[in-house]
Amino acid sequence: NAGVTQTPKFQVLKTGQSMTLQCAQDMNHNSMYWYRQDPGMGLRLIYYSASEGTTDKGEVPNGYNVSRLNKREFSLRLESAAPSQTSVYFCASSEVLGSTYGYTFGSGTRLTVV
Amino acid sequence: KNEVEQSPQNLTAQEGEFITINCSYSVGISALHWLQQHPGGGIVSLFMLSSGKKKHGRLIATINIQEKHSSLHITASHPRDSAVYICAVSKGGGATNKLIFGTGTLLAVQP
Repeated sequence: NAGVTQTPKFQVLKTGQSMTLQCAQDMNHNSMYWYRQDPGMGLRLIYYSASEGTTDKGEVPNGYNVSRLNKREFSLRLESAAPSQTSVYFCASSEVLGSTYGYTFGSGTRLTVV
Repeated sequence: KNEVEQSPQNLTAQEGEFITINCSYSVGISALHWLQQHPGGGIVSLFMLSSGKKKHGRLIATINIQEKHSSLHITASHPRDSAVYICAVSKGGGATNKLIFGTGTLLAVQP
């Protein structure tokens, strides 16, 4: 099925451990995004990629790195996890403005850092 | 003050009722999105609109650009409509479609 695929769905890390969240889309979208969702707050943008080979910081980039491996894949890396990074992470991709729906989200990764 | 405000934060309705969720924003936008998130679930895009009104099944979304306000209406509500409804805006420009999100409206439709 067409869409955005995120892995893993759940992860528990110890403080200081590293991990990479994977995201792939098969809709030929140019733009991809990583957001985090915390209780009582709207989703916040961590990093985004306007096109293959480019990445830019969003609202809350500290503690994260990203790689736009190709047009399909956009990964998010936590080099040294901290409890403040406990959150639900969503990858998304979008078409240019003017499309009907604009955005497609992955199913989310629930990360707990202990 | 958040750039995107939704009201109400929580809403309980009886099955069959007409529901309205409101969204106000304080920035210039190129588009407004309505999203749906079921508990523990992913996020689904319902509408993206930049003017006027869109309808999909029992869902209707309207936007008033001059007043910086949008509403999401659900007609003949059903318990399966229970979810968090999220308003988000694109500030637009350039090749990306970065979104600014409201905090969501938790809707519970009781049978």
